[in-house]
Amino acid sequence: DQQVKQNSPSLSVQEGRISILNCDYTNSMFDYFLWYKKYPAEGPTFLISISSIKDKNEDGRFTVFLNKSAKHLSLHIVPSQPGDSAVYFCAASGGTGNQFYFGTGTSLTVIP
Amino acid sequence: GAGVSQSPSNKVTEKGKDVELRCDPISGHTALYWYRQRLGQGLEFLIYFQGNSAPDKSGLPSDRFSAERTGESVSTLTIQRTQQEDSAVYLCASSSGPSRFFGPGTRLTVL
Repeated sequence: DQQVKQNSPSLSVQEGRISILNCDYTNSMFDYFLWYKKYPAEGPTFLISISSIKDKNEDGRFTVFLNKSAKHLSLHIVPSQPGDSAVYFCAASGGTGNQFYFGTGTSLTVIP
Repeated sequence: GAGVSQSPSNKVTEKGKDVELRCDPISGHTALYWYRQRLGQGLEFLIYFQGNSAPDKSGLPSDRFSAERTGESVSTLTIQRTQQEDSAVYLCASSSGPSRFFGPGTRLTVL
């Protein structure tokens, strides 16, 4: 059962515009969320996180929004750059363990 | 080095053979994770080590898979009697908090 879902397998955005990547989760016990970026042939790299006590966290061009009632989080990249082209995974954790549940990823292509 | 390292980077093996994958975590990181990414799929949790506690093996797909870690150092993931569906990139990560740092992965191909 997929507890973290990224329903858009791919997204194309023009350079300079906003990229919005979405993630939905089913487990109300999740209280910490991460976004990872992955380039081909490389391991994932941590991008930004948010805990459930906040609804927004911003780091430079990257902002993560959390809507707990809707069990939805999104990653906004503004402005998008060609180097942002990668697969983006969201991950969620909660309860007693450190186990993270990952979505299936969204492949972002930023068109120059 | 400063990051998580994994070896080998690529492994091609024949169906039925055993393989061993190695992960060197970041020094001082008490937590170590193994994940698998099969083609077109998301990251799949396999096993989690935290210090000297019993590992969380809930993600291991079958009893052909096992992993060991000695203290807070190197971990090995062993796959016995490999099958073609084991072909994937196997990723190791370590952490000392909620964020984890991933290695470059081992690409396993089972012919």
